Parts: sequence; structure tokens; C-alpha cells
Amino acid sequence: DQQVKQNSPSLSVQEGRISILNCDYTNSMFDYFLWYKKYPAEGPTFLISISSIKDKNEDGRFTVFLNKSAKHLSLHIVPSQPGDSAVYFCAASAPYSGGGADGLTFGKGTHLIIQP
Amino acid sequence: DAGVTQSPTHLIKTRGQQVTLRCSPISGHKSVSWYQQVLGQGPQFIFQYYEKEERGRGNFPDRFSARQFPNYSSELNVNALLLGDSALYLCASSLLLGQGGPQYFGPGTRLLVL
Repeated sequence: DQQVKQNSPSLSVQEGRISILNCDYTNSMFDYFLWYKKYPAEGPTFLISISSIKDKNEDGRFTVFLNKSAKHLSLHIVPSQPGDSAVYFCAASAPYSGGGADGLTFGKGTHLIIQP
Repeated sequence: DAGVTQSPTHLIKTRGQQVTLRCSPISGHKSVSWYQQVLGQGPQFIFQYYEKEERGRGNFPDRFSARQFPNYSSELNVNALLLGDSALYLCASSLLLGQGGPQYFGPGTRLLVL
């Protein structure tokens, strides 16, 4: 069963507008969340993260919102630029308990297309 | 500073063979993780190493093994290759174990098993 879900396989947004990518999770132990961007033939590039003690984190054009009660997070990109066209992955991790690290759990990704 | 590097970039093997993939972390990073990404899916966790010890393992068969060296570089070994092992293998490094910061990924090794 998927613990991190990105229900939109693709999203098309006009250049200059806001892009909103969504992610839902089911594991209540997750408390650290990350967004990665991936171009074809490259590894994922870290964009922004958020800890569960916060509900918002900003970095330039990127803002991540976390709604713990809904187990939902979103990535806002404002304004969207052509170079933002890529696949975006949401990832989550649980605290390291000493009994073994589970690494990051990823969603399937959302392909963002920025239209000129 | 150089990012995470992986070698080789591409590899073709036949069923039953063995393969070794290599990873060098970002300078100063002591944790290395390995992930497998198949087409249309997100990366799936295989192993995490910290200070040369295995600290976590995902749901992969014993054909998959890894190790970390004193210089924090790492190797992933896969024995008795199956067609389903064809994937992009990603290495990621982080400064600390756990949630001290993000994991940074290398470009990956694309493995094709025929």
C-alpha cells in the first residue's frame, strides 16, 4: 500500500501563474517531508523540506504547506517559469529510532508542464 | 564542491550475472543511501549506511547487498540479476543519519538486464 500519494500524474500551468502540487500520506509516523524535482536523465534535485513542527516553509519562489490533521502537503511555485517543467516528487521520513532507518518514502511523482 | 557521483552511468547485463555500482558522497557527508527507481514510480529505498555500518534496509531480496568504505564511498552489489532489476539506481548522501537534513542524489546508474 502506498504511504505517500501524488494523485495527479500531470499538471499543466501557464507561465507566470501559480503551480500547486499536492501530496497525501497515510503513515502518521512521518514527520519530515521533502520535495524533489527531477529532469530526465538526472537524479532528483532537492527543493525544499518541512518538519512537522511547522506548517509552512518558504524558499524563494517555493513554499511548502503542511496540514498534519489532513495528512496533506502541497508545494506552491510562484511565479511558474519554463525551467520549472519537470517531474516533482514528494518524499517523507519517520524519525530514526535506532531500530533501523527506512530511508525516504516517495510518491509516484507529478509531471509539471509550464506552458509559455 | 562536487555533488554525489556515481559510476558507471549506464550498464547492460544479462540474466544471472552480477553487478557492482559505485557512489561517492558529497565531501563531509557520512551517510549514503541507495534507491531503485523503475519507470513511472518514485525511488524505492534499498539501503542506508552511516559510518560504514548498515543502518536501514528496504524490502529487497538478499541478492542486493552494499557496503561503505572508510572514505564514505559505497558500493551496491546485485547478484543473480533478473529482468525486473532493470531500473535507475540512485545514490544519495546526507550529512547525518535521520532528519538532520535532506538527502542529495547523484545522477544515477541506469541498469538494463537482458
